[in-house]
This record gives sequence, structure tokens and C-alpha cells, in this order.
Amino acid sequence: DIVMTQSPLSLPVTPGEPASISCRSSQSLRQSTGYNYLAWYLQKPGQSPKLLIYLGSNRASGVPDRFSGSGSGTDFTLKISRVEAEDVGIYYCMQALQAPRTFGQGTKLEIK
Amino acid sequence: QVHLQQSGPGLVKPSQTLSLTCAISGDSVSSDSAAWNWLRQSPSRGLEWLGRTYFRSKWYNDYAVSVKGRIIIDPDISKNQFSLQLTSVTPDDTAVYYCSREWKAVSGLDYWGQGTLVTVSS
Repeated sequence: DIVMTQSPLSLPVTPGEPASISCRSSQSLRQSTGYNYLAWYLQKPGQSPKLLIYLGSNRASGVPDRFSGSGSGTDFTLKISRVEAEDVGIYYCMQALQAPRTFGQGTKLEIK
Repeated sequence: QVHLQQSGPGLVKPSQTLSLTCAISGDSVSSDSAAWNWLRQSPSRGLEWLGRTYFRSKWYNDYAVSVKGRIIIDPDISKNQFSLQLTSVTPDDTAVYYCSREWKAVSGLDYWGQGTLVTVSS
């Protein structure tokens, strides 16, 4: 199985400031097509996870443009350009290259 | 707009079978562009993918090794839904269970059910 490792696990952020979350995979998620099979999710308290980013850098429908995904191979980053209060929750990365799908441990973003 | 509605009991006795259903609206369980997944979440295991069913000229299933031998994910074409059965449950199977769609073009789980807390206890 592909192991996904996120950092940090806890991220206190002041509103209006940027935030960054790292995700590393135990093997490359890039295929010969050039796509990276990496997705990001946000799980707000009491809710199901919501897809933010797919194929490494594509925002899902309705996701604000302050969210961006980057990286390739085994190293990926989710950036929030200016954190808002509604961004609190747990962020997960997930590899979609092969079954079983596997997730990072989660990064809890909280507002300072 | 796709909607996934989960149903099933919230309490299961040890050694019995956990059964959940996910009703699909806005898409088809037989779509050749989607895969239909079950996942669970607990403090000890985090988010754990359990398995999926999908149709690509014929039906396929993939299951996580951690539950292989105990899990069945079945499509029901007539009702446009899919189900999860997990046999011989123990308290370690206590978790919030989710169904989800993975859309081929997105390679991400883009729609999720509301989640069902299943407690394994006598």
C-alpha cells in the first residue's frame, strides 16, 4: 500500500494569513500521462469530507481560488492564500493512483 | 447534482453482520465513469478506504486487505444503490461509515454520503 504522510498535524493560523500543508507519498503518484493522482479534502466539524483539489492541482467545482494544490511525484502542497474562519477543519491528502486508496493522517487547521 | 443517501442500523452486536445501503440519485450505479466506494473513520484508524464496486463492461470489486474475507460490496441496479456487508464484526469495527463516488475524470471522491455512526456493542 502507498503510505501518505502529512505535516504539520496541527496548524494554527491568523485570519488573512497564508497557510501551507505538505503531503508526501511512499511512491510516485505521477503517471506517464503527466497527471499526479493526488487529491485534497477538507472535513469540517460534523460533516463528511469535501473534495478540494484533484489530480494534484485542479480545484473542484465551487472551491474558492484561495485554495491551490501543487507538487509532483512524491511531494505535494496545499496552500491557502488567505485563511478565513470558514476554513477550519481537518485537511486530508489521498492518493488515487491505486487501490487501496490511502489517506494522510490529517492536518487540523485552527484559527488563532 | 449527485446525492448519496445512506441507511442502516447504528448498533450491531459483536460477531454479527454490519449492513449499510447507499442510494444514488443523479447518477447510475452502472455508470462506466464512476466507482462506488465505502470508507470508514475512527479515532484509531483515521480515514480508511474499505472497498469499491464499479462497472466497466462487467462488474469489478476491490477490497482493502484489512477487511478482505469479511466484506462484500454489492450493486443493486434495480434500486440504483449499492450496499456494504461486513461480517463477524468486533468493537474495533466501530466507526462512522461513508459511501462515496469516485468520478473517473477527477480521480477523487467527489460526492459523499452523510455518514453513519455504527457502534459494535452487545
